Order: sequence, then structure tokens, then C-alpha cells
Amino acid sequence: ETGVTQSPTHLIKTRGQQVTLRCSSQSGHNTVSWYQQALGQGPQFIFQYYREEENGRGNFPPRFSGLQFPNYSSELNVNALELDDSALYLCASSPKGRQGATYEQYFGPGTRLTVT
Amino acid sequence: ELKVEQNPLFLSMQEGKNYTIYCNYSTTSDRLYWYRQDPGKSLESLFVLLSNGAVKQEGRLMASLDTKARLSTLHITAAVHDLSATYFCVRQGAQKLVFGQGTRLTINP
Repeated sequence: ETGVTQSPTHLIKTRGQQVTLRCSSQSGHNTVSWYQQALGQGPQFIFQYYREEENGRGNFPPRFSGLQFPNYSSELNVNALELDDSALYLCASSPKGRQGATYEQYFGPGTRLTVT
Repeated sequence: ELKVEQNPLFLSMQEGKNYTIYCNYSTTSDRLYWYRQDPGKSLESLFVLLSNGAVKQEGRLMASLDTKARLSTLHITAAVHDLSATYFCVRQGAQKLVFGQGTRLTINP
């Protein structure tokens, strides 16, 4: 069974640029969540995708957007990068059963984004 | 709004000693997790606690849940250096996980 994978592992961008981060969910999982973890802090929920639709969003501006594909992999896009966007971005997948039921989330290795 | 608070945030202890990390949360929810994170690494799930009175143990770590007090504890017995890491208490929200601030644990020889 393949776990959650993310790419790239590290990325350096300049302020104002755009970035796309990718996540492949664990086999059998149809839900993907994205989290931002700034240095020394706990992860913060960005949004969740379930069956290709956004299924909840945290307190992040619209320049953070996402996609989920039919194979349940996902992308996180960030436009107009700011210095404060420097963080570890974590993707987590989970199976989702009956309406509203959420199960344990399994985290990928993360993408370290540095904005200069 | 679901909030999770851990204490202490920093803990330095000697090998062989016992200690407890406390986690308080603001509202009831489905489940509580404890995760471990090593520097620069991702999150490793340690325990999932589903109901009041739940207690789980793995090696030198034991986690418990008291839903009436809205309190979870992570107890470390006879600490060893390999347990040095940051530990997060996490509550399950409707879609999202809500993390505590994390407890950075350093175990000295």
C-alpha cells in the first residue's frame, strides 16, 4: 500500500511569484486536506477536497486555491507569494464514508516552501 | 470554535524520568489524536482516542482522554533520548484537524 506522497520536497520562490504543490493520496482514500505549518507552530488547516470539490476551508485568502483530480490526487496553488507564505505544506488523505463522517488523516512528507 | 491548548510548550527532562503533557480543548468533538514530529519531518500518528476514559499505551508513551474535563494527557515513562521530538495534541473538527501549539520535548542523557 502506497502512502501519501508530495512533490517537490523543497522549493524556493520569489515574492510575487506563483507556486503549485502536488499530493498523491493513499490508495483507497478519496479526501485530501492541506495544512500550512509555519516554523515553530502547529499546522493550520487550509482546505479539504472530497470527490473533486472543496469541502471546507480555513482562514486563508483566495490566493490559496486547490484542485482534486478524478484519481483523488490534489494540487495546492498559491498566487502572489508573500514572505509569510514560507512554511512546510502538508497534505493529508483520508477515507470518507457516510455524509459527515471523517476518518483519521494520514500525512505526507511535506513540501518546504521558502519565499525570498 | 474548537481550540486546543497544550502545556508545557517546552520540556527538557533527563533520561529515566517520568513526565506528563496536558492538552485542554474547548468543545466536544469526535476524536482526539496525538502526533509526533521530528525536526523538519512530517507528522507521525501515535494514538487515536475515541471515547471518554480511553487509554492507549505504546512503549513508554501512554495517552488518555477525559471528555468531561475536556482533557487529554500524554504520559512519558522512563524517558529515553529517542523520544525527543515535538508532540501535538489534535482534535477532529467537521472537516479539519485542529492542532495544539505543540510541546517540544528534549531528553538529555
